[in-house]
Amino acid sequence: QVQLVESGGGLVKPGGSLRLSCAASGFTFSDYYMSWIRQAPGKGLEWVSYITSTGNTKYYADSVKGRFTVSRDNAKNSVYLQMNSLRAEDTAVYYCARTRLVVVGWYFDLWGRGTLVTVSS
Amino acid sequence: QSVLTQPPSVSGAPGQRVTITCTGSSSNIGAGYDVHWYQQLPGTAPKLLIYGSNNRPSGVPDRFSGSKSGTSASLAITGLQAEDEADYYCQSYDSSLRIFGGGTKLTVL
Repeated sequence: QVQLVESGGGLVKPGGSLRLSCAASGFTFSDYYMSWIRQAPGKGLEWVSYITSTGNTKYYADSVKGRFTVSRDNAKNSVYLQMNSLRAEDTAVYYCARTRLVVVGWYFDLWGRGTLVTVSS
Repeated sequence: QSVLTQPPSVSGAPGQRVTITCTGSSSNIGAGYDVHWYQQLPGTAPKLLIYGSNNRPSGVPDRFSGSKSGTSASLAITGLQAEDEADYYCQSYDSSLRIFGGGTKLTVL
């Protein structure tokens, strides 16, 4: 079954850290770029980060640059998001998504169900 | 702040046709970049609806179609059904990397 399953969300205090995981199955994980996208409660979608298939190149939204780090382990069919120096505004459901490139840009053709991160004291 | 502007809400009666617009600029849609659309049913993850401006993934009904002209794109839904009630997001490429529209809530009357 082709799917993505996120885990690792929870409640964390401002300034704290959390590591999200996303396990892929049903497709050749190492062939695909992967992204993280978040959605604050009652708000729209915000792209957070992507990582190339080899893990050699990573991009980040300005809002998380320097605080979040994306990585992957192709042997474990997993992608990760290390989140440090968390702020209240990072509170959101975090989705991992399989990422497809177009001539300029990319889109997301497979999404996980998401994991909720709550940053609060 | 999204660089792609969508109406906050649209509505239509069952069987009708509705259109959701996504307005960008010369830095994104107007530069010729593809537009993609996602449907998010209540309480669920987004799902790809249209990619490459007017292509449907397998399994998406042909009631959904996309188009693009100038600095705008549109998602059209014909034969509106109650199950189409959802949030819809456009997405393109912009150098700011703020790539999603703000979303449009479709209400089926």
